[in-house]
Amino acid sequence: DIVMTQSPLSLPVTPGEPASISCRSSQTLLTGNGANYLDWYVQRPGLSPQLLIYYASTRASGVPDRFSGSGSGTDFTLKISSVEAEDVGVYYCMQSLQTPYTFGQGTKLEIK
Amino acid sequence: EVQLVESGGNLVRPGGSLRLSCAASGFTFRSNWMNWVRQAPGKGLEWVASIKQDGSVIRYVDSVRGRFTISRDNAENSLYLQMNSLRPEDTAVYYCARGPNYGVGVDYFDYWGLGTLVTVSS
Repeated sequence: DIVMTQSPLSLPVTPGEPASISCRSSQTLLTGNGANYLDWYVQRPGLSPQLLIYYASTRASGVPDRFSGSGSGTDFTLKISSVEAEDVGVYYCMQSLQTPYTFGQGTKLEIK
Repeated sequence: EVQLVESGGNLVRPGGSLRLSCAASGFTFRSNWMNWVRQAPGKGLEWVASIKQDGSVIRYVDSVRGRFTISRDNAENSLYLQMNSLRPEDTAVYYCARGPNYGVGVDYFDYWGLGTLVTVSS
């Protein structure tokens, strides 16, 4: 199975400041077609998970452009350019290259 | 508007069975991969099972293979998860999640339901 490792696991951020979450996979998620099968989700308190980013850098429909994804191969990053209060929640990366699809442990973003 | 509404969660004893349902609306159900993802209380997300548009491809996480069966009824716009031989470690909120309408794999889950709670306990 592909192991997904996120850091940090806890991320206190001041509103208006940037935030960055790292995700590392135990195997490359880059395929011959040039796509990286890496998604980012956020689960806000009391709500269902929501897709933010897929194919490592494509923003999902309706996701604000302050969210961006980057990386390739085994190292990926989710960046929030300017954190807002509504961004509080747990952020997960997930590999969709092969089954079992596996998630990272989650990074809890909180407002300072 | 895409909607996914799960039902069927309940308290069940170890070894028991349960059938979860997911009613889909707001999109052409038969065009998308469909999935189940679960979340144990206070824990992270775990993919459980996926089914292709026509049901011809089905995948499971090892921990449920042979005990759980994913299925779909495209005429009824519904997804199902038959859960047998339930164990305490199956206790979780089970989410129905939509996959893409193309490709040979799931790639991502772009819409999620609110989830239904399954509790396995004596």
